[in-house]
Amino acid sequence: DAGVTQSPTHLIKTRGQQVTLRCSPISGHKSVSWYQQVLGQGPQFIFQYYEKEERGRGNFPDRFSARQFPNYSSELNVNALLLGDSALYLCASSLVSGGPETQYFGPGTRLLVL
Amino acid sequence: AQKITQTQPGMFVQEKEAVTLDCTYDTSDPSYGLFWYKQPSSGEMIFLIYQGSYDQQNATEGRYSLNFQKARKSANLVISASQLGDSAMYFCAMREGQAGGTSYGKLTFGQGTILTVHP
Repeated sequence: DAGVTQSPTHLIKTRGQQVTLRCSPISGHKSVSWYQQVLGQGPQFIFQYYEKEERGRGNFPDRFSARQFPNYSSELNVNALLLGDSALYLCASSLVSGGPETQYFGPGTRLLVL
Repeated sequence: AQKITQTQPGMFVQEKEAVTLDCTYDTSDPSYGLFWYKQPSSGEMIFLIYQGSYDQQNATEGRYSLNFQKARKSANLVISASQLGDSAMYFCAMREGQAGGTSYGKLTFGQGTILTVHP
């Protein structure tokens, strides 16, 4: 089975622009979470979506938004990009079946804001 | 206060030897899960092992085992018989709360430990 996929793999934007990152979960997984990983640090939680509803939101400004589609894929949008938004953006999917709910991560999208 | 603390920025180990990566956590929630992930230079986070707060036995997955000491709030990862391909960044992470709770899906990560395996 295919793992979590993300697109694009790399992206270069300039300050003030907007960006959309995409994620497809593992087949059968209904939950998608987004994380931001700045160089040299551990990932920071941004959002979790389950069954198209937002289940959790981290400490990120309103410039960050996301949504989940009926096929459980997800998009992360970031508006008015700042230099500090340069990071690896990771998407993770999980079953949310009531068990340990292990999150499986995709390869990430590397965003560079100039 | 840091919820996940990994005190070893870098560790070195000889090939075929065992190594322990430290992780301490802080939570007041009785229900939580502890995870270890490996992140090679490519960036992808690879799930290694999971330990639930109510699990009676330490988790094991192949060469990986988790030394879970609940009273000390530590969840150290032990890698046996190290291989060159084990060289990577390793993250400890925690999920707090019960299934269906608002914070259930959130993983909190430590700062990571870079492991280098020497031939």
